[in-house]
Amino acid sequence: GENVEQHPSTLSVQEGDSAVIKCTYSDSASNYFPWYKQELGKRPQLIIDIRSNVGEKKDQRIAVTLNKTAKHFSLHITETQPEDSAVYFCAASNAGNMLTFGGGTRLMVKP
Amino acid sequence: DAGITQSPRHKVTETGTPVTLRCHQTENHRYMYWYRQDPGHGLRLIHYSYGVKDTDKGEVSDGYSVSRSKTEDFLLTLESATSSQTSVYFCAISESTGGAEQFFGPGTRLTVL
Repeated sequence: GENVEQHPSTLSVQEGDSAVIKCTYSDSASNYFPWYKQELGKRPQLIIDIRSNVGEKKDQRIAVTLNKTAKHFSLHITETQPEDSAVYFCAASNAGNMLTFGGGTRLMVKP
Repeated sequence: DAGITQSPRHKVTETGTPVTLRCHQTENHRYMYWYRQDPGHGLRLIHYSYGVKDTDKGEVSDGYSVSRSKTEDFLLTLESATSSQTSVYFCAISESTGGAEQFFGPGTRLTVL
């Protein structure tokens, strides 16, 4: 089955700096890679996703890149703000299969 | 938030007792999932359903059973709760699988003493 590893487990940045979270996956057939954000005490919510026919996708301050050859994908957050503080999860799946989640990254943005 | 509710939201129980958690949706989505969330492990799939009376095991299904008698309800049962099942349980729904967004419920915090 799929195995997703996520690094780092914690990340502390200064407000305004960029943050990068990286994930690797094992199943070369995986073709869908979502990122979820979970604020303290809340439910996970999708913030961006990418499919294997795309190398990069951007939505305002958030971008995701995918390298299928190396089997890794990354979340980039620019101009971080205190409200970006949360736990971020990456995940991977292929058609017909369930999502496999990474272990999560706790991002802390210091004012 | 999508129309997903979970009950109860908090529960404390004793080892060996049966526990049932309920997930209810008003979105008419075909797929429903149960995950558990533990520090360092992310979200791990327990069981999922792809239709009424159609369910299958996930990554960590031992000690859990599920039932789906109606489109809108998905029940998770711990037949005999153990301390290792202390966790936060999330229900999720999606219209399809393998590339469809999953919407999560608010979660249930279960403590097994």
